[in-house]
Amino acid sequence: ETGVTQTPRHLVMGMTNKKSLKCEQHLGHNAMYWYKQSAKKPLELMFVYNFKEQTENNSVPSRFSPECPNSSHLFLHLHTLQPEDSALYLCASSPQGAEGYTFGSGTRLTVV
Amino acid sequence: QKEVEQDPGPLSVPEGAIVSLNCTYSNSAFQYFMWYRQYSRKGPELLMYTYSSGNKEDGRFTAQVDKSSKYISLFIRDSQPSDSATYLCAMSGGNAGNMLTFGGGTRLMVKP
Repeated sequence: ETGVTQTPRHLVMGMTNKKSLKCEQHLGHNAMYWYKQSAKKPLELMFVYNFKEQTENNSVPSRFSPECPNSSHLFLHLHTLQPEDSALYLCASSPQGAEGYTFGSGTRLTVV
Repeated sequence: QKEVEQDPGPLSVPEGAIVSLNCTYSNSAFQYFMWYRQYSRKGPELLMYTYSSGNKEDGRFTAQVDKSSKYISLFIRDSQPSDSATYLCAMSGGNAGNMLTFGGGTRLMVKP
């Protein structure tokens, strides 16, 4: 384990379902991130939270809704997704500064 | 033009070979350079971290940064089958602050 835990590891959902992804870190980091990783594409930054405040929304459709109740937890609420949203969703955290991110193992999402 | 370019591979080498992985970038403000390794069904893990130009060695791994050419490299000596993974370069600095910009990743296969 890296110190960043993501649940569930796998998720299959229909296009009309509502589900949530959870991320938890106990590394004392102040910033948390959601990334989308699709096959044969670079990592796509979705959202950034610094000290629980959203500081970046990278033009993500509103069917993805993040929530950061405290600096250790991050959620991604999913609603009426499309099949093209199927991907690996990665959570990461970092301290202030540029020491790099610590990633979770991701949630493999399949939208049917 | 992508901000960070990385050959997607796959790169297939025999066990024991020296592997060279590379990235080019366009933003001259980048100052921090990282290499991540990502095994199948896992999140990326930080492998090497360097600041500005120069070399950094850690065991069988050497990271090189040439800021004048906007070119970074990761060398793996005596490659092992366990090195088979996707390697992502990432960088930050300048206007991006500590936000990472990732390359698309190179898939490496080391054959016994």
